[in-house]
Amino acid sequence: GENVEQHPSTLSVQEGDSAVIKCTYSDSASNYFPWYKQELGKRPQLIIDIRSNVGEKKDQRIAVTLNKTAKHFSLHITETQPEDSAVYFCAVSLGSARQLTFGSGTQLTVLP
Amino acid sequence: EADIYQTPRYLVIGTGKKITLECSQTMGHDKMYWYQQDPGMELHLIHYSYGVNSTEKGDLSSESTVSRIRTEHFPLTLESARPSHTSQYLCASSAGELFFGEGSRLTVL
Repeated sequence: GENVEQHPSTLSVQEGDSAVIKCTYSDSASNYFPWYKQELGKRPQLIIDIRSNVGEKKDQRIAVTLNKTAKHFSLHITETQPEDSAVYFCAVSLGSARQLTFGSGTQLTVLP
Repeated sequence: EADIYQTPRYLVIGTGKKITLECSQTMGHDKMYWYQQDPGMELHLIHYSYGVNSTEKGDLSSESTVSRIRTEHFPLTLESARPSHTSQYLCASSAGELFFGEGSRLTVL
């Protein structure tokens, strides 16, 4: 089955700095790569996703890049704010309608 | 409002009790899922369903069972709860993007 590795497990940045979280996957046929944000005590929520026919996608301060050759994709958050503090999960699937395999999560802390 | 509803949100029970965690969605999604998650930790898929009368086990072995008699309803049952079942259980549904419920936090004493 699919194997997803996520790094780092914890990340602390100063407010206003950028944060980068990286995930690698094993199945070269995977073609859907979402990122979820889970605030403390809340449910995970989709923040951005990318499909394999696209190399980069941006939504305001959040961007995701995909390198299919190397089988890795990354979440970039610029101008971080305290409300960005949360656990972030990457995920991978063989198409958006299939079940997702999640990474182990990254606890991001934005220091004021 | 279209959403996924889970009840109970919190449950504390004794060992050996039978429990059912309820999950209902009003989004008309065919695909529904159950994930197990310890707080802030990895999400493990334990059951999924692609439609009525269709259920499959996920990647993480679980002693729980599920049923899908109606499209909108996907309950999870533990016949005999044990302390090792203490965790948060998240229900989700999908027609592409995955939407999660708020979770049921189970504590077995």
